[in-house]
Amino acid sequence: AQSVTQLGSHVSVSEGALVLLRCNYSSSVPPYLFWYVQYPNQGLQLLLKYTTGATLVKGINGFEAEFKKSETSFHLTKPSAHMSDAAEYFCAVGSNAGGTSYGKLTFGQGTILTVHP
Amino acid sequence: ETGVTQTPRHLVMGMTNKKSLKCEQHLGHNAMYWYKQSAKKPLELMFVYNFKEQTENNSVPSRFSPECPNSSHLFLHLHTLQPEDSALYLCASSRTDSGNTIYFGEGSWLTVV
Repeated sequence: AQSVTQLGSHVSVSEGALVLLRCNYSSSVPPYLFWYVQYPNQGLQLLLKYTTGATLVKGINGFEAEFKKSETSFHLTKPSAHMSDAAEYFCAVGSNAGGTSYGKLTFGQGTILTVHP
Repeated sequence: ETGVTQTPRHLVMGMTNKKSLKCEQHLGHNAMYWYKQSAKKPLELMFVYNFKEQTENNSVPSRFSPECPNSSHLFLHLHTLQPEDSALYLCASSRTDSGNTIYFGEGSWLTVV
């Protein structure tokens, strides 16, 4: 069984400030981890993903996330927020158990990021 | 443009209507999915198809009926829906290797009146 908890349904930052969106997961097998972004009236767009290898993952638009197995976390960060970053962000966990586990992502409840001028 | 196209983008239907949502992917993937996104709830996986074969039905009510005629097309047939079925329905596709990225369409906003 897998689950995802995103701490904070709303995060507000000033333009230029650090963005930190928190995600903790639980998984009985080694996880694959994803961050997606959803802009208003659009579908989900992949920001970055962790499968294996380097635990610090860089994504699009200057975002990065670090897989910390000991903390079961995959927090998303960006050094300097931009107005265009305002959106809803979803953390998701998938399984590398093989078989029919592909595509079966479990999503967190989402975090709405607001960026103030 | 993600390579996954959904139509219609918006649909309003009565509880006695029959309608369908359509999804087409141009990415050469062999797995397709329907997800449901409701307000204040996490995205829920509804159905999974692999090479046209349904491999997952996540306890979805029978008023939702999926159809996958080939690996590029996926439909969600809707019949006798309830107002609480109003949501954003997202189609997605991927390869079937574990860990592969799932690409989402822009969704179909469904309102049941």
